[in-house]
Order: sequence, then structure tokens, then C-alpha cells
Amino acid sequence: EPEVTQTPSHQVTQMGQEVILRCVPISNHLYFYWYRQILGQKVEFLVSFYNNEISEKSEIFDDQFSVERPDGSNFTLKIRSTKLEDSAMYFCASNVPGQGYNSPLHFGNGTRLTVT
Amino acid sequence: DAKTTQPPSMDCAEGRAANLPCNHSTISGNEYVYWYRQIHSQGPQYIIHGLKNNETNEMASLIITEDRKSSTLILPHATLRDTAVYYCIATGSGNTGKLIFGQGTTLQVKP
Repeated sequence: EPEVTQTPSHQVTQMGQEVILRCVPISNHLYFYWYRQILGQKVEFLVSFYNNEISEKSEIFDDQFSVERPDGSNFTLKIRSTKLEDSAMYFCASNVPGQGYNSPLHFGNGTRLTVT
Repeated sequence: DAKTTQPPSMDCAEGRAANLPCNHSTISGNEYVYWYRQIHSQGPQYIIHGLKNNETNEMASLIITEDRKSSTLILPHATLRDTAVYYCIATGSGNTGKLIFGQGTTLQVKP
């Protein structure tokens, strides 16, 4: 079964550094998402992306964050200047448009970002 | 999206059916009920969804009450690998698939 793949599985960075988290969504999917989960807390929506533009973003997704689909297969999340509170698991997800409903999201297994 | 309420935790004996309840009393007519689970910090995994009718797939069954104000996810023969946090989410066709996760139910399957 096709999978969403994320790299790296674990990223350690120093405060103030830029990081790029990478995702390869399922090939025929059209909607792409980033979620994050701080240790012990809920899974939180960050951003959705469709047709090469952001379709929705949460309050968490401020100017420090950006997303890009640089080619036909990758979907990236960039954090420009990391803060300690950005430490979390970051999950990428994708789906196809449903017919009258939201087709299920397929999630990757995440990148654990540790900011020191 | 309608608010959902789930018990914070449940236990189930291995091999028995696990019945996970969810209340969504404010659900509107075009909102579906989705169930996902998260096994120990892995990415959430889709299980099943439904609108009005009961649904069954290879993973689970979903029973939705006639008034649609509550539902039950049934894992017919729980295994230790079903130990996870289970999320019930009610969401409509109007959005592109953004999910709002609550705290879910932590299901512990015991030998």
C-alpha cells in the first residue's frame, strides 16, 4: 500500500537555525498537510496546501513557517529560525478530494524535531 | 466541526471486543464521523468513517445511533497491537480535510 514518507526521522538543531522537514506524499494525492504534536499533547493542524498554494493555516503557522512543493513529489516545511518551543513531532499527511466528503488522510510517521 | 467527547481511557482483554464510545450531540447533517488511531507516537492512522449507516471494514465496525448524536467504534477481537490512542472526529465536506484532534481515548489491551 502506498505510504507517506518523511525524512529525516529525527532532526536536532540549535535555536535560531533553519530546518527543512521533507515529505513525499502519496503520488496521486492532491491535498497536503502538516501537523505537529508536542510531547504529551494533542496533534495540532498547521497548514493545508492545494494547487500550489496554502488553502488554510492555523495560528501556529506564523511567519517563521513556510511550505513548498518544489517538484512533483516532495512537500517541505521550513522553519526559518527555530525556537525551543518548536520541538515536536511533525507529521505530513495527504489525501485526494472526496466526493461529498473528506477522503481519509494518510499520515507519515513523522520527524522528531529537537531544538537545543 | 462538531465537538466530540470520548472517555480518556479504557481497558480491554486481548481477544475480546473493544467498544469505544464517542458523543457528538451537535453534529450537523453533512458531517461525517471519522475514527483514527495513533500507536505510540507514530502518525495517526485512519480506521473508518460513516455518515448515517453502520460501516464495517477489515479493521473495525462503526455503529452510529439513529439520531447521529453518538457512535461506537468496535474492534471485534482486540490484540495487543491495538493498544493506541483512538480519536473520534466529526467533520463536514466543506473543508478540505483538516482534522481537529481531541485528546482521544487511550485503549490498553491487556493479555
